[in-house]
Amino acid sequence: QVTLKESGPALVKPTQTLTLTCTFSGFSLSTSAMRVSWIRQPPGKALEWLARIDWDDDKFYSTSLKTRLTISKDTSKNQVVLTMTNMDPVDTATYYCARSYGDYGGYFDYWGQGTLVTVSS
Amino acid sequence: EIVLTQSPATLSLSPGERATLSCRASQSVSSYLAWYQQKPGQAPRLLIYDASNRATGIPARFSGSGSGTDFTLTISSLEPEDFAVYYCQQRRNWMYTFGQGTKLEIK
Repeated sequence: QVTLKESGPALVKPTQTLTLTCTFSGFSLSTSAMRVSWIRQPPGKALEWLARIDWDDDKFYSTSLKTRLTISKDTSKNQVVLTMTNMDPVDTATYYCARSYGDYGGYFDYWGQGTLVTVSS
Repeated sequence: EIVLTQSPATLSLSPGERATLSCRASQSVSSYLAWYQQKPGQAPRLLIYDASNRATGIPARFSGSGSGTDFTLTISSLEPEDFAVYYCQQRRNWMYTFGQGTKLEIK
């Protein structure tokens, strides 16, 4: 059974760095063609893809947020970590991690429940 | 960046009716397009991938069509549980993008 779960602070202050962890089970990020992405959704708004890490440690970032994002993985712990620097109130959103694999490469077949991050002083 | 534009923004229909949702890409995405359903408080669910393939466990009333820049999601006969927000997403290149969503509401 594939599951993903996001964890991290619910509240961060402007200019701080956000660190989110995606802990997953039921698959391995060392399996060829496996990928994990981070996607966010501001309240009442659309989804926005942020970053992706692949089984071979290739990394991809949204061009608009590239300078602020870092994605990494710990295969032994089944975790993917996203850091976002210089947080701003407009970054308030639910942050999801999601898996892509096989026929669904590039699409997201399993998602975490999401974690709401509020940016406020 | 490939921009996906969905229409209409809101679609009001009754159970049993046919729903047609549109997604237009700013440049060709070939057939590399997916559709997701999202209900309040839930993560999105993959419905259709590669424009016309139903994901595992998705009912046959959901179908997708199109290629290039114009895509359609059709729900043949609406069930009460189908009222939700629907998003399209492209994977033509590594910079994935989503549309802004279509809200399907009960008339």
